Amino acid sequence: EVQLVESGGGLEQPGRSLRLSCTASGFNFGDYAMSWVRQAPGEGLEWVGFIRGKAFGGTTEYGASMKGRFSISRDDSKSITYLQMNDLKAEDTAVYYCSRDVYSSGWYFQEKWGQGTLVTVSS
Amino acid sequence: QSVLTQPPSVSGAPGQRISISCTGSSSNIGTGYGVHWYQQFPGTAPKLLIYGNNNRPSGVPDRFSGSMSGTSASLAIAGLQAEDEADYYCQSYDSSLSGSLFGGGTKLTVL
Repeated sequence: EVQLVESGGGLEQPGRSLRLSCTASGFNFGDYAMSWVRQAPGEGLEWVGFIRGKAFGGTTEYGASMKGRFSISRDDSKSITYLQMNDLKAEDTAVYYCSRDVYSSGWYFQEKWGQGTLVTVSS
Repeated sequence: QSVLTQPPSVSGAPGQRISISCTGSSSNIGTGYGVHWYQQFPGTAPKLLIYGNNNRPSGVPDRFSGSMSGTSASLAIAGLQAEDEADYYCQSYDSSLSGSLFGGGTKLTVL
């Protein structure tokens, strides 16, 4: 069974950094692209970015508002993908989901989702 | 504001057929990038409902269907049931943004 478990969320102060982890199991992790998607309280979904699988170089892409402060990496030996968030702002407060992605019709979609981890940025 | 536009809410009675629109542009849906749909219940993670415009993952009832025409896509739900009450999001790739984007979401209410 495919499982994705996010961790690392919590309360952090503005300007600080936080690293989220997504631990995968039940599939060959290295073969898949992995995304991060966030959802602010009461708001819709926002794509944070993703990292391709090893066959495609493990390259990353980010949403326009994430570039520069957020970075995604992966450790295929541990089946973990990370989201490093720097210079946190109040507007980064959200539930952060990781997903296993599949390529279709020119891009990727989020096939399986984790349960999410809440990040609250406040002084 | 989302580049993919969805109605904030739709409603229907049990047994009815409803549709949810997702209007894009020439840099996303209109270019032929696939449209995907997700269902989300309050307090839970989204779930893939439709991928590649009109494909259902295993386990999704055939009451759910997707279509695409020009710069717009639609999700249709036939034989509406109380348990369909949820938020629905469309998603596609945008070449001008060089990334994925979601519609603003539509809240479905079953009357």
